[in-house]
Amino acid sequence: TQLLEQSPQFLSIQEGENLTVYCNSSSVFSSLQWYRQEPGEGPVLLVTVVTGGEVKKLKRLTFQFGDARKDSSLHITAAQPGDTGLYLCAGGGVYSGTYKYIFGTGTRLKVLA
Amino acid sequence: ETGVTQSPTHLIKTRGQQVTLRCSSQSGHNTVSWYQQALGQGPQFIFQYYREEENGRGNFPPRFSGLQFPNYSSELNVNALELDDSALYLCASSLVPGLAGVSEQYFGPGTRLTVT
Repeated sequence: TQLLEQSPQFLSIQEGENLTVYCNSSSVFSSLQWYRQEPGEGPVLLVTVVTGGEVKKLKRLTFQFGDARKDSSLHITAAQPGDTGLYLCAGGGVYSGTYKYIFGTGTRLKVLA
Repeated sequence: ETGVTQSPTHLIKTRGQQVTLRCSSQSGHNTVSWYQQALGQGPQFIFQYYREEENGRGNFPPRFSGLQFPNYSSELNVNALELDDSALYLCASSLVPGLAGVSEQYFGPGTRLTVT
């Protein structure tokens, strides 16, 4: 059974602070995706990383894929209230002949103005 | 290009009833995956459909079944509903991974199912 653990589970910070969310597994993934989800809505894809050690930037968000492709991190610089939401990582790979995604437990972020 | 759509938005059913949820995939995508997301948790993979056949399944009982149609739209059927089936049901469309070995998936807004 593949598991993806995210930490922290909950995070409440002031506007302007920096934060890092971690996504860890003992399994190797072909790709890893990060999503943000608002209450009552579907997850929205932020980024996909596929190469070990890869770093991608999306404005104030920096995503990194671990060298061994087992873990990833999401760093937000100068957080804003609009960053509030549930952040999910999902590891992709072929399991029992099917390409599918295993989702992490999620990190609920609240940014206070 | 249209995104992933799902219907209905909300649904209330009674324990023991049956329900059908619908999903239209993003234009150009031929694979549909269904997920169950309980409150406060990450999505759990139910199954995936490709070329109108089930292409993989998570740890869900047989009363969870699905269909994919020639236009790649899909249905999720749940029989003999239980209280624990109350959740947000998400549909995601993607392309079967090609040479790159990576398949990005895009989610619909979900259907909120409440079983009483």
